[in-house]
Amino acid sequence: EPEVTQTPSHQVTQMGQEVILRCVPISNHLYFYWYRQILGQKVEFLVSFYNNEISEKSEIFDDQFSVERPDGSNFTLKIRSTKLEDSAMYFCASRLTGTGVHEQYFGPGTRLTVT
Amino acid sequence: AQTVTQSQPEMSVQEAETVTLSCTYDTSENNYYLFWYKQPPSRQMILVIRQEAYKQQNATENRFSVNFQKAAKSFSLKISDSQLGDTAMYFCAFMKYNNNDMRFGAGTRLTVKP
Repeated sequence: EPEVTQTPSHQVTQMGQEVILRCVPISNHLYFYWYRQILGQKVEFLVSFYNNEISEKSEIFDDQFSVERPDGSNFTLKIRSTKLEDSAMYFCASRLTGTGVHEQYFGPGTRLTVT
Repeated sequence: AQTVTQSQPEMSVQEAETVTLSCTYDTSENNYYLFWYKQPPSRQMILVIRQEAYKQQNATENRFSVNFQKAAKSFSLKISDSQLGDTAMYFCAFMKYNNNDMRFGAGTRLTVKP
């Protein structure tokens, strides 16, 4: 069964460094998402991406965040200058657009630790 | 803005018994989708069940069923014949019909006891 994959599974970085989290959505899906889950808290929406542009973003998704689909398969989240409070699990998700299919399929997540 | 509330931070149930997890939401929309996701200790987010708001019939997936009360804005999850593998965090989520962001509740930690 097709699945969303994410790499790395765990990333440790120093405060102020740039990180890129990578995702490979399900191949025929057209909507892509990033979510964040700080340890012990709820899953929070960051951004959605469709047709090579951001379609929606939350207030969390400020100027230090960016997303890109550099080729036909990868979908990346970049954090330019990490802060301690960016430590969290980051989930990528994808969705097949079309009538009647609206659930999002999640990847296994990347645990980001900022020290 | 849409909010999703799960009022039970933790619940436990004996194996083979039935448990119901509560979820309420606040919206002015008429068309939307509701979901229950399961997050086991591996932290993978797994879709359990979904419900379209325009459907009156409650969704069912094997041992999992929902009680969708649109007027009350309530969307509870019933797990029948609970199994040890059901132990996980359960998140209720809301998505508007023509929108892309999914709003999650704070989660309910369910423990199934042998």
